[in-house]
Amino acid sequence: GAGVSQSPRYKVAKRGQDVALRCDPISGHVSLFWYQQALGQGPEFLTYFQNEAQLDKSGLPSDRFFAERPEGSVSTLKIQRTQQEDSAVYLCASSLPGGDGYTFGSGTRLTVV
Amino acid sequence: QKEVEQDPGPLSVPEGAIVSLNCTYSNSAFQYFMWYRQYSRKGPELLMYTYSSGNKEDGRFTAQVDKSSKYISLFIRDSQPSDSATYLCAMSANAGGTSYGKLTFGQGTILTVHP
Repeated sequence: GAGVSQSPRYKVAKRGQDVALRCDPISGHVSLFWYQQALGQGPEFLTYFQNEAQLDKSGLPSDRFFAERPEGSVSTLKIQRTQQEDSAVYLCASSLPGGDGYTFGSGTRLTVV
Repeated sequence: QKEVEQDPGPLSVPEGAIVSLNCTYSNSAFQYFMWYRQYSRKGPELLMYTYSSGNKEDGRFTAQVDKSSKYISLFIRDSQPSDSATYLCAMSANAGGTSYGKLTFGQGTILTVHP
């Protein structure tokens, strides 16, 4: 596609529920990133893939967060047993290796109630 | 203290004004500097990308990097109501190959340009 596509755009989860957020990067972009953006804050790095390899997951806040990209294209960010502090916008971005910057999707706004 | 500091504003200017947005940082390893624009309920959109110190101009936008002072700026000339958005600075220590990634963002500055 022409841009990075994320789904769903909005997700309301009850506390304790598991959620899965999907990212479709730009075709041919081998690098994929997940960021978390709390209200009124800048995005914060969660994890980085190059093709199917997860090269950096140092930003994942707890072991309840898990990301995968099994075929090197679509990626899923899974959050288990959601907590209220997980409420945020989750952004996906992709780029060519060494490319000038990232292209971000519009994000998934997760609200945990 | 955060690695990247950015005044959240909000900043309100009249149409046609020159806007100056700034960030300071503490990590001397940062070499790649970016400015993103984010409209409400949208993802960040890359405006400017610079490497190391110096100036870069693109239309009404000028980005400046002063690594000696650990200070970066974005200037917007002839500001328009359509420039109203949140502006995020971002920076990275590496680029290229497997080491590209992990942008560190500022908090973002909310800008309103009123007609």
